[in-house]
Amino acid sequence: KAGVTQTPRYLIKTRGQQVTLSCSPISGHRSVSWYQQTPGQGLQFLFEYFSETQRNKGNFPGRFSGRQFSNSRSEMNVSTLELGDSALYLCASSLRGDSYEQYFGPGTRLTVT
Amino acid sequence: GDSVTQMEGPVTLSEEACLTINCTYTATGYPSLFWYVQYPGEGLQLLLKATKADDKGSNKGFEATYRKETTSFHLEKGSVQVSDSAVYFCALSDKGNRGSTLGRLYFGRGTQLTVWP
Repeated sequence: KAGVTQTPRYLIKTRGQQVTLSCSPISGHRSVSWYQQTPGQGLQFLFEYFSETQRNKGNFPGRFSGRQFSNSRSEMNVSTLELGDSALYLCASSLRGDSYEQYFGPGTRLTVT
Repeated sequence: GDSVTQMEGPVTLSEEACLTINCTYTATGYPSLFWYVQYPGEGLQLLLKATKADDKGSNKGFEATYRKETTSFHLEKGSVQVSDSAVYFCALSDKGNRGSTLGRLYFGRGTQLTVWP
């Protein structure tokens, strides 16, 4: 079975721009969660989608949004980028998103200049 | 609320030394516990898991036992190798299925392990 894939792997953007990141979960997995990883804050939960519905959201501003499609693929969008948004963005998939383990993609490294 | 506390290190060991990385947790529901490993430039890989008290997870020589009485899930390995050098994260998933916990893993801050030959 193919693992979780994320595109692109690397991105460089300028402050004020917006960006869209993509995640394809493991086949059959219906839950997709997104995390932001930075040296200062560690791993922080952004949001989780299940069957195209956002079920849970972390403590991030409204500039961070996401969606999930009928094939379970997910995208996250960050508008009006700030320098502090530079991070590794990780996507994880799981069967149902409750107590099941999550499987992570390689991440998208976003650099905001 | 739910949280995970783990020793942050860094931890530096010689090859074949014993490893213990401490992890304790706080949870309001019935958590499953995990250890993930992250190699440089990569995402997180699931190393092992335990879903209920007294369960022992094991993989690649690593072990961890879910201790409800001490709310701990310490990672151990009897003889580390250079290839074990990575960052290790302890995490929990709350089975309470409340809105605030759905699809969410709570992570510790990570422990950098470096093994020298």
